[in-house]
Amino acid sequence: DQQVKQNSPSLSVQEGRISILNCDYTNSMFDYFLWYKKYPAEGPTFLISISSIKDKNEDGRFTVFLNKSAKHLSLHIVPSQPGDSAVYFCAAWEIGNEKLTFGTGTRLTIIP
Amino acid sequence: EAGVAQSPRYKIIEKRQSVAFWCNPISGHATLYWYQQILGQGPKLLIQFQNNGVVDDSQLPKDRFSAERLKGVDSTLKIQPAKLEDSAVYLCASSLAPHEKLFFGSGTQLSVL
Repeated sequence: DQQVKQNSPSLSVQEGRISILNCDYTNSMFDYFLWYKKYPAEGPTFLISISSIKDKNEDGRFTVFLNKSAKHLSLHIVPSQPGDSAVYFCAAWEIGNEKLTFGTGTRLTIIP
Repeated sequence: EAGVAQSPRYKIIEKRQSVAFWCNPISGHATLYWYQQILGQGPKLLIQFQNNGVVDDSQLPKDRFSAERLKGVDSTLKIQPAKLEDSAVYLCASSLAPHEKLFFGSGTQLSVL
């Protein structure tokens, strides 16, 4: 039962353009969402998060949007840079449950 | 600030053998996690410790996997005996407290032949 889904396994974007990574979830008890970035042979590193009481959170080139009614969130990277090439994981916390549930990841490739 | 340390980085074993992984979390982090990441999938939580007590081990295959966190600091994860499907990256992570941001180690790449 995949409660956090990233339906695009891979995405290629031209350098300087916008990258949009999508994530859908099924559990309405999720109240906090995070994006992690992973380079090969390294562990995931925290990128940005959003609470369910917000619909947008911005940090520099990275913005996360949350649509609770659609159970959908997206990560926007503007402008995209070659160093953004990595695997991006969406993750979610459930109210009263300390387990962080990860999606399957999207491999982003930025084309110079 | 030192990050989460894991060893070894790589391990190759034959099925039915035993293997152990070690993790040293960030100093002061009370919560420690072991995740399994199979190729093409997201990390899956195996076990979560709060200090030296187990918070969640519902997805740990207890017939072959075991983990401990003595003195609430370092942790070891053991597989005995290993199966082919245990081939994965084993990630250790720590956080100051539950529901706080997780910091991950570089992981141990396990190949079971």
